[in-house]
Amino acid sequence: GENVEQHPSTLSVQEGDSAVIKCTYSDSASNYFPWYKQELGKGPQLIIDIRSNVGEKKDQRIAVTLNKTAKHFSLHITETQPEDSAVYFCAASMGGYQKVTFGTGTKLQVIP
Amino acid sequence: GAGVSQSPSNKVTEKGKDVELRCDPISGHTALYWYRQSLGQGLEFLIYFQGNSAPDKSGLPSDRFSAERTGGSVSTLTIQRTQQEDSAVYLCASSFNNSPLHFGNGTRLTVT
Repeated sequence: GENVEQHPSTLSVQEGDSAVIKCTYSDSASNYFPWYKQELGKGPQLIIDIRSNVGEKKDQRIAVTLNKTAKHFSLHITETQPEDSAVYFCAASMGGYQKVTFGTGTKLQVIP
Repeated sequence: GAGVSQSPSNKVTEKGKDVELRCDPISGHTALYWYRQSLGQGLEFLIYFQGNSAPDKSGLPSDRFSAERTGGSVSTLTIQRTQQEDSAVYLCASSFNNSPLHFGNGTRLTVT
C-alpha cells in the first residue's frame, strides 16, 4: 500500500518568514495530494490540494508543488502569521474511491 | 449544509467497559473513514467504508475494535473491554468520489 513520509515533525518560524513542509510518497499510481490544517481541538480541514496533472498550485499565501518523478510534494506558506500555527498533514491517494493515506504531521509554530 | 457530526464529543469510561462512538457523515458521501489520534500524534488509520464494498479493516489495532455502517450512512465504532492505551481522539471523515475528506471534530475518549 501507499506510504507517505512527512518532514519536519516540528517547525518554528518568525512571523513574516516562510515555512516549507515536505512529503514523499511511495506509490507512483497516486494522483491526488491534499494538505490539511488541524487547529487545537478540531478535526483537520483541507487548505489546498493538487492533482498529478499539474506541478504547482497557489492560493494566496499558500502554494503546493509536486514532483512526480521524485515522488515528493511540498507545502509553502509565505508571510507567516500567528494564526498559521497549527498541525499540518499531507496526504496521497490513487484517486476515485481509493483510500487516502496521511503523513505523520508537522507542528508549525509562528513566533510573533 | 451540515458537516460531519460526531458524538459524544467527550467520553470518560472505566477500564474494561465497552464504548460506542457515533459518526454522521455528510449526506450523499459514500466513503467514511475512522482515524485515531493519540495526544500530539498523527492520524492512525483504523477502518474505511466505501459504498457497499467490504470495509478495509486493516488498521484496526485489535479484535476489541469493530465498526459498522448502517444503510450507507451513520457509522458506529465500538471498542470492547477498553484499556488505558485506547485513550485518544477518534476522528471520523467522509468524502465522495475522491473529493477532499471532511472531518468531524472527533470524540475524545479517556479510559480511567
